[in-house]
Amino acid sequence: DADVTQTPRNRITKTGKRIMLECSQTKGHDRMYWYRQDPGLGLRLIYYSFDVKDINKGEISDGYSVSRQAQAKFSLSLESAIPNQTALYFCATSDSFDRGLEQYFGPGTRLTVT
Amino acid sequence: GIQVEQSPPDLILQEGANSTLRCNFSDSVNNLQWFHQNPWGQLINLFYIPSGTKQNGRLSATTVATERYSLLYISSSQTTDSGVYFCAVGSDYKLSFGAGTTVTVRA
Repeated sequence: DADVTQTPRNRITKTGKRIMLECSQTKGHDRMYWYRQDPGLGLRLIYYSFDVKDINKGEISDGYSVSRQAQAKFSLSLESAIPNQTALYFCATSDSFDRGLEQYFGPGTRLTVT
Repeated sequence: GIQVEQSPPDLILQEGANSTLRCNFSDSVNNLQWFHQNPWGQLINLFYIPSGTKQNGRLSATTVATERYSLLYISSSQTTDSGVYFCAVGSDYKLSFGAGTTVTVRA
């Protein structure tokens, strides 16, 4: 089984709908992250969490919210989806008790907002 | 924030050829990772290399932190090496990604 899983893998939704993307990990890492990737570009950080009670905004958090339900689960919500949120979304984890810096990525969720 | 520049933006190789990808960054870092994004969009960790040299099979990487650059070497390229190669750098938690190098290996 994959260490970092994301559901759904693909989603098409309409403008104005609320949508949640979920991430689970079995790596035992304490830190989790959400990124988005737009075509032809690198990844940009949306939110990050150092533990269940420590959640922080990244560089592009507007229009998104997150919830860290447990150490192993970190979900990303789009409260009212808009077309420019069409992108590939990645969840990542890292372990502050090890090197603390190397990040491991899930398989991605391809989201299309029509 | 840290600026990351990757070159070349595109690279077309014949199977069996060798290549070098470059990553320049604008500030000192204590994290540098190389990833391969395959045609299905998945990001594969290649190297965690904030300094020094590492090798993994046909791939190797070198980071010269004092001069703010890293190199990824692909030897004896195969069609499965096709995809986008990203360099990501940062300090503590934050990673800044370059725009990537798109590699196409032709049989």
